[in-house]
Amino acid sequence: DAGVIQSPRHEVTEMGQEVTLRCKPISGHNSLFWYRQTMMRGLELLIYFNNNVPIDDSGMPEDRFSAKMPNASFSTLKIQPSEPRDSAVYFCASSLEGSAAKNIQYFGAGTRLSVL
Amino acid sequence: QKEVEQDPGPLSVPEGAIVSLNCTYSNSAFQYFMWYRQYSRKGPELLMYTYSSGNKEDGRFTAQVDKSSKYISLFIRDSQPSDSATYLCAMSHSNYQLIWGAGTKLIIKP
Repeated sequence: DAGVIQSPRHEVTEMGQEVTLRCKPISGHNSLFWYRQTMMRGLELLIYFNNNVPIDDSGMPEDRFSAKMPNASFSTLKIQPSEPRDSAVYFCASSLEGSAAKNIQYFGAGTRLSVL
Repeated sequence: QKEVEQDPGPLSVPEGAIVSLNCTYSNSAFQYFMWYRQYSRKGPELLMYTYSSGNKEDGRFTAQVDKSSKYISLFIRDSQPSDSATYLCAMSHSNYQLIWGAGTKLIIKP
């Protein structure tokens, strides 16, 4: 399996622009997570989907952030409008709930976002 | 107080040394304990996974869980420069949510 695939790897944008991050989870996995990582705050869970349904979005910082999972093989995280404080590395991870090792999450390579 | 405490380092040791990385936690309900390794500009990758207490060994790596002390450790024997990375502990009770440590940056000097 190719693992979790994220695109783009790097994104540089100007304040106020819309940013869309994309994720393809591991085939067969039924849970998907979006995280944000910064030096100051470490890894923060933004949103969790199970079977394409958002279960926990309590980590989404503001209404500027939204996430969708239209099918089992694709998810997006959108920031509109973007602000400099959104600059971070955004990771997508997937897991297989119901398996013996249900808590194991597999991460993509991340999208490094810079908002100028 | 954070649920999971981990010294961010950096921890610098010479090649060949035994490395000890640790996390403490406050929630006695945690049952699943993981160590992830993250290289610079990469995503975290699972290194060790332990359920409940005890030790688990995989090659040069040993994970220990002491639930009575709420303390977990990762030992790396015969450390190599390629082990230089950030090591994150993560733990969970029964649901999906992983609680993460801040990560310890490890530097192995040749």
